[in-house]
Amino acid sequence: QVQLVQSGAEVKKPGASVKISCKASGYTFTTNYMHWVRQAPGQGLEWMAIINPSDGSASYAQKFQGRVTMTSDTSTSTVYMEVSSLTSEDTAVYYCANGPGGQWQDHWGQGTLVTVSS
Amino acid sequence: DIVMTQSPDSLAVSLGERATINCKSSQSVLYNSNNKNYLAWYQQKPGQPPKLLIYWASTRESGVPDRFSGSGSGTEFTLTISSLQAEDVAVYYCQQYYTTPRTFGQGTKVEIK
Repeated sequence: QVQLVQSGAEVKKPGASVKISCKASGYTFTTNYMHWVRQAPGQGLEWMAIINPSDGSASYAQKFQGRVTMTSDTSTSTVYMEVSSLTSEDTAVYYCANGPGGQWQDHWGQGTLVTVSS
Repeated sequence: DIVMTQSPDSLAVSLGERATINCKSSQSVLYNSNNKNYLAWYQQKPGQPPKLLIYWASTRESGVPDRFSGSGSGTEFTLTISSLQAEDVAVYYCQQYYTTPRTFGQGTKVEIK
């Protein structure tokens, strides 16, 4: 069955960067786009970006352009998301999720809590 | 960006009664070439990732109970829980996948009255 396993919680200082991983299994890695969605404490879902693992092409919400980078490693079936210039507003649970054709998301990782605090 | 607006923000429904959640998009998410609405619904319980309930506005994901149904077209959509069960207490989100960014509604919290 499809599994998306994310890296563990992170605590970062303002201005730092964080890189989160999402390892996929149970399907052919290059056939499904991967999304990143975040959720600040007590808030709703915020879609951030999408990557095509087969060629590494990515699209970002304008809010995150230039500050977020998604990459994929087909040899390990892993997608990465790096967020730079962190502020307290980036404190959130970050989810990877995939689904057919980059449309809806039918499988989700367990989430990675990123806390930004001085 | 397409803005998704849900209503109400929260609702309390008695067990066994109907719950209705509305979702409006700032522009149509109906793709004319295939006559499909690029709209999904998710359920999220505390401490869990979201769970896909419905895609193409009305197609139920495998394993989702048939008390959940989706309807609507163009810019206005509805998620209906026909007979609310205790395990349906959650926050529900709509999402458009017509274009990027794949925006979500703000969420609707469903509770037991």
